[in-house]
Amino acid sequence: SYDLTQPPSVSVSPGQTATITCSGDKLGDKFVSWYQQRPGQVPGQSPLLVIYQDKKRPSGIPERFSGSNSGNTATLTISGSQAMDEADYYCQASDSSSDWVFGGGTKLTVL
Amino acid sequence: QLQLQESGPGLVKPSETLPLTCTVSGASITTSGYFWGWIRQPPGRGLEWIGGIYDTGSAYYNPSLKSRVTISVDTSKNQFSLNMRSVTAADTAVYFCARLRYSSVWNWGQGTRVTVSS
Repeated sequence: SYDLTQPPSVSVSPGQTATITCSGDKLGDKFVSWYQQRPGQVPGQSPLLVIYQDKKRPSGIPERFSGSNSGNTATLTISGSQAMDEADYYCQASDSSSDWVFGGGTKLTVL
Repeated sequence: QLQLQESGPGLVKPSETLPLTCTVSGASITTSGYFWGWIRQPPGRGLEWIGGIYDTGSAYYNPSLKSRVTISVDTSKNQFSLNMRSVTAADTAVYFCARLRYSSVWNWGQGTRVTVSS
């Protein structure tokens, strides 16, 4: 099975740049998406798509969110991190209808 | 405004079948180019793709769950469903239904918590 590896946690100071990586074999050959999941109410906060097709932002997602994907690593970058960006972030890759994989998630702390 | 709403039992006994339904409102499930899926999240853990289906009925599954899972679609009711057989405690999770396109999950339901316990 295909695996995506993320660091369990990343810390960043307010206003600084946060970088979250996602690694997988030949990941650059696949499309990578990123999701933000804030802690929330029961049963749980639904994830929010923040980056799709490696580097595109859905409507309504702030410009401080950006993405890249090359070789074996995809990266989510949050420029000028804010307290509201504190959340779990998941990468996800797919190259066909039958091949959807999520990374283990990274807890971003802004402090 | 698209809405996805999961429904089903919150408690299922081990070895039984878990049935979940996702009701789609605000858009037709037959809209071209979309893929409708199920994703779960065990307590305190990450996301896991279960599988998905097109409005034509073509379904695709996570290989690790394929032997226990069936996903079906009812276009007349604008719904799609998940049946997971022979559940164990490891299947305890929040189950999300979702709309997928361009290799991404664009819309999520609010999730429904399922506990497997006798």
